[in-house]
Amino acid sequence: GAVVSQHPSRVICKSGTSVKIECRSLDFQATTMFWYRQFPKQSLMLMATSNEGSKATYEQGVEKDKFLINHASLTLSTLTVTSAHPEDSSFYICSVPRQSSTLEQFFGPGTRLTVL
Amino acid sequence: GIQVEQSPPDLILQEGANSTLRCNFSDSVNNLQWFHQNPWGQLINLFYIPSGTKQNGRLSATTVATERYSLLYISSSQTTDSGVYFCAVSSTGTASKLTFGTGTRLQVTL
Repeated sequence: GAVVSQHPSRVICKSGTSVKIECRSLDFQATTMFWYRQFPKQSLMLMATSNEGSKATYEQGVEKDKFLINHASLTLSTLTVTSAHPEDSSFYICSVPRQSSTLEQFFGPGTRLTVL
Repeated sequence: GIQVEQSPPDLILQEGANSTLRCNFSDSVNNLQWFHQNPWGQLINLFYIPSGTKQNGRLSATTVATERYSLLYISSSQTTDSGVYFCAVSSTGTASKLTFGTGTRLQVTL
């Protein structure tokens, strides 16, 4: 399977600060990556699709000015949570689809964000 | 959008028991995956199975696409099988976006 890394794995910040999360595809290039969010005891919800060379597309209800996505290269996508508030505390996970005839996706280890 | 429901929501088993987890979905799919989320949050790919049957060790899965359901079988369960099992699907024309089910929380006891 694909190898996907995320950094940092855990971050604690004060309310009002911005936090950047990196997602890297380590073993193949990815023109598309996905960002999900998971609140405690809940399922994963898709936030946005990161597109290399073009703007990200956001799911309904996700504020694009709050969650900035930059697909800087074919192996790196970043999610920046701007002016974070306690309600943004969550587990953020990225995924990379395999670039082959299948649509199988592989997930990073996740980033746990706590906003005080 | 597509709806995905899993059952049961919670399951407690003794080590060595077998179990069947179910995933129902509301529309045609071109991708269905089963994942195990470990206690640290990592999603581990179990099966990519938009149709048919696959087996991997003590685990097997079957998807009946025409009837819009998938089953995950766990045999001879071990304590390391504990965690949350998710199925996730993408429907035709949604550009690989996965919609996750509600999950089944499995606890295997000694």
